[in-house]
This record gives sequence, structure tokens and C-alpha cells, in this order.
Amino acid sequence: KAGVTQTPRYLIKTRGQQVTLSCSPISGHRSVSWYQQTPGQGLQFLFEYFSETQRNKGNFPGRFSGRQFSNSRSEMNVSTLELGDSALYLCASSLSLLYEQYFGPGTRLTVT
Amino acid sequence: TQLLEQSPQFLSIQEGENLTVYCNSSSVFSSLQWYRQEPGEGPVLLVTVVTGGEVKKLKRLTFQFGDARKDSSLHITAAQPGDTGLYLCAGRGNSGYALNFGKGTSLLVTP
Repeated sequence: KAGVTQTPRYLIKTRGQQVTLSCSPISGHRSVSWYQQTPGQGLQFLFEYFSETQRNKGNFPGRFSGRQFSNSRSEMNVSTLELGDSALYLCASSLSLLYEQYFGPGTRLTVT
Repeated sequence: TQLLEQSPQFLSIQEGENLTVYCNSSSVFSSLQWYRQEPGEGPVLLVTVVTGGEVKKLKRLTFQFGDARKDSSLHITAAQPGDTGLYLCAGRGNSGYALNFGKGTSLLVTP
């Protein structure tokens, strides 16, 4: 069974731009969570989707948003990028809410 | 947010040594997971513990969940260079869906 895939793997953007990251979960998994990982803060929860609905949200500004499609694929969007948004963005999928999460390789975003 | 504190933050040992890393919180968790992450990759799930006092073994790795379900430890016997990585613990509280992560223990095992 294929694992979680994330595209793109690397991205360089300029401050003020916006970016969209994509995540394809493991086949059969219906829940997708997004995390931001930085050296200083570690892994921080952004949001979780199940059945195309956001079920839980972390403490991030409204510039961070996401959505989930009917095939469980998910995208997250960051608008008006700031230098501090440079991070590894990780997507994790699970069969359903509260189940074990399996991570993708991440998207490395660099904001200049 | 239920905080998880991991110690030590960094650990550098030689091949063949034993080590223990800790994950502590003042909160109770319904379950706790351990992950290992290598540079440039996503975390890989190692184990999930759900019962207070539970001990799970995965080859040379032994995981323990505290009786009160507030802490956990990971013991590695005869460490190998392939064990090098960032070890993360993550807990899910009794009432929330979100998985809270510790900041991790960065382990380096040299030959």
C-alpha cells in the first residue's frame, strides 16, 4: 500500500506571496492532519479534516487554511507569507479520527 | 494544549551503549505514541501505548507507559548507528482529537 504523498517536496517563495501544499493520504484513510515543524517550536498542529470537514484547529492565524476533497486528498494554503512561515509542513493520514497517524515526507517551505 | 516534555534534548553515544529517553507531562493521555524521524523525512510511527503500566518491545526498543498515563519512556539496548534520529513522543488527551507532540530527543549513535 502506498504511503502518504506530499507535493511539492521543496518550495521557495517570497514574502507576501501565497502557497498551496497538497497531500494524498494512504488509500482508505479518511482523516488528514497538517503540522508545521520548526527547529524552535517542534511539531505544531495546524488542523485536522475528516469527511471534508475541519474537525479540529490549532492555534495558527487565519492566513493558514485548508480543505479536504471527497477523495480524502487535502490541501493547505498559506496566504501573505512571512519569513517565520519557513518550515517543514507535514501531512498525516489516519483511518478515522483518533486512529494512529502516518506521516508523509513533508514539504520544505522556504520564505525569502 | 497538553504539554509533553522530552529529555534529554540531545544524546550522543557510541554503538553498543544502552540509553533511555523520557516523555513527561502533567496531563493524562488516553494514548501515547512514539515516532522516529530522520533528517528531511516525516516521522515514522514506532509504537502506540494505551494502558497505564503497559510495556511494549520492538526488537531492541522497549516502550513503557506510566501507571498514571502521564509519562512514558523509550529504552534502547545496544544502540546501533541506524538508531540515529529524532525521537518524538505524542499524546492524545481524553477529550480532544489533536495529537500533541514533544520537541523530541535527537539521538546520534557513532560507530
